[in-house]
Amino acid sequence: NAGVTQTPKFQVLKTGQSMTLQCAQDMNHEYMSWYRQDPGMGLRLIHYSVGAGITDQGEVPNGYNVSRSTTEDFPLRLLSAAPSQTSVYFCASSTTGAHGYTFGSGTRLTVV
Amino acid sequence: RKEVEQDPGPFNVPEGATVAFNCTYSNSASQSFFWYRQDCRKEPKLLMSVYSSGNEDGRFTAQLNRASQYISLLIRDSKLSDSATYLCVVGGGSYIPTFGRGTSLIVHP
Repeated sequence: NAGVTQTPKFQVLKTGQSMTLQCAQDMNHEYMSWYRQDPGMGLRLIHYSVGAGITDQGEVPNGYNVSRSTTEDFPLRLLSAAPSQTSVYFCASSTTGAHGYTFGSGTRLTVV
Repeated sequence: RKEVEQDPGPFNVPEGATVAFNCTYSNSASQSFFWYRQDCRKEPKLLMSVYSSGNEDGRFTAQLNRASQYISLLIRDSKLSDSATYLCVVGGGSYIPTFGRGTSLIVHP
């Protein structure tokens, strides 16, 4: 019973590099979301998906891309890393969104 | 006005105390309400959903006041292990939730 799995747990990038944060869930949840959490800012929504093939932008989408080719996977791509993207990233999933979200354990990203 | 507002605290209480947090929301069309708990450097975990009729889970009681647009969380008989940040979460019609910034609780011996 894995729930929501995020990889990697830690990552250091150089400015300008690109990378993909992986998120997978095994609960057959339709709703998936990516959040970033910064000190004093709370959780901010980056992108979300309400089902395979459907994605939409959240509050802070700039510099990030997502895709949802399967129900299980929802990767987050950083196109050209910037120091402002240093943060903790959480992936979350839910059956309908009305029943609360299950979070992954997070990816701690540092951009130098 | 922020969509979901919480007092950041910290609330510093002794073991055994009763403590209450409030959270206000701005979107009157909101349909789902939750309290999450987040420990330091960990992911948020669902503590309880909040229903119109109110609900209780052991030492925890959650209430919803739609007229005044706030939800509350009451913790009775506080334990050291209750020390955490408590996040208020409000979902709109699309059920994409908005998180408050959290209220920090410190329970001391």
